[in-house]
Amino acid sequence: GENVEQHPSTLSVQEGDSAVIKCTYSDSASNYFPWYKQELGKGPQLIIDIRSNVGEKKDQRIAVTLNKTAKHFSLHITETQPEDSAVYFCAARMISGNTPLVFGKGTRLSVIA
Amino acid sequence: GAVVSQHPSRVICKSGTSVKIECRSLDFQATTMFWYRQFPKQSLMLMATSNEGSKATYEQGVEKDKFLINHASLTLSTLTVTSAHPEDSSFYICSARDYSGSTYNEQFFGPGTRLTVL
Repeated sequence: GENVEQHPSTLSVQEGDSAVIKCTYSDSASNYFPWYKQELGKGPQLIIDIRSNVGEKKDQRIAVTLNKTAKHFSLHITETQPEDSAVYFCAARMISGNTPLVFGKGTRLSVIA
Repeated sequence: GAVVSQHPSRVICKSGTSVKIECRSLDFQATTMFWYRQFPKQSLMLMATSNEGSKATYEQGVEKDKFLINHASLTLSTLTVTSAHPEDSSFYICSARDYSGSTYNEQFFGPGTRLTVL
């Protein structure tokens, strides 16, 4: 089955700097890769996703890149703000069929003002 | 994005009692709902997948008689923790996905339920 590895487990950046979180997956059949942000005591919130037919997707300060050959995808947050501090999870699955998402272990991002 | 609600947000119960958690999709029909469990500072662990009108599929190691799941309608799924014990204390999160055409769409999560068993 699918296995998703996520690095780093913790990340501290200065406000205004960029943050990058990387994930690798094992199942070449996976073709949907969402990223979730989870704040303390809350459920995960979908912030961006990418499908295998594109290599990059951007939404304001957030971007995701995908390298299908290498089986890795990354989340990029630019101009970080204190409110970006949270735990971020990557995930992967096949979008067709009723397969569940497989999550990485999460990255705790701290943005220092 | 779509909205998924959970109730209650927090519950404290005595050991041996049962607790029911409700999960609702508010603005879409959820053909599939998922229940996760999350321990502090850990990732989400999938407990079971339920399709409307069908029996839930449980992940290995999850006791189906302990965690009863009912997905009776396209907008409601319930998780009942039966005969709860302190080790069942955790953060339970539901998630819902709808289906349109030939693909299953994005998966949205509820706000979670903090269960504490005394």
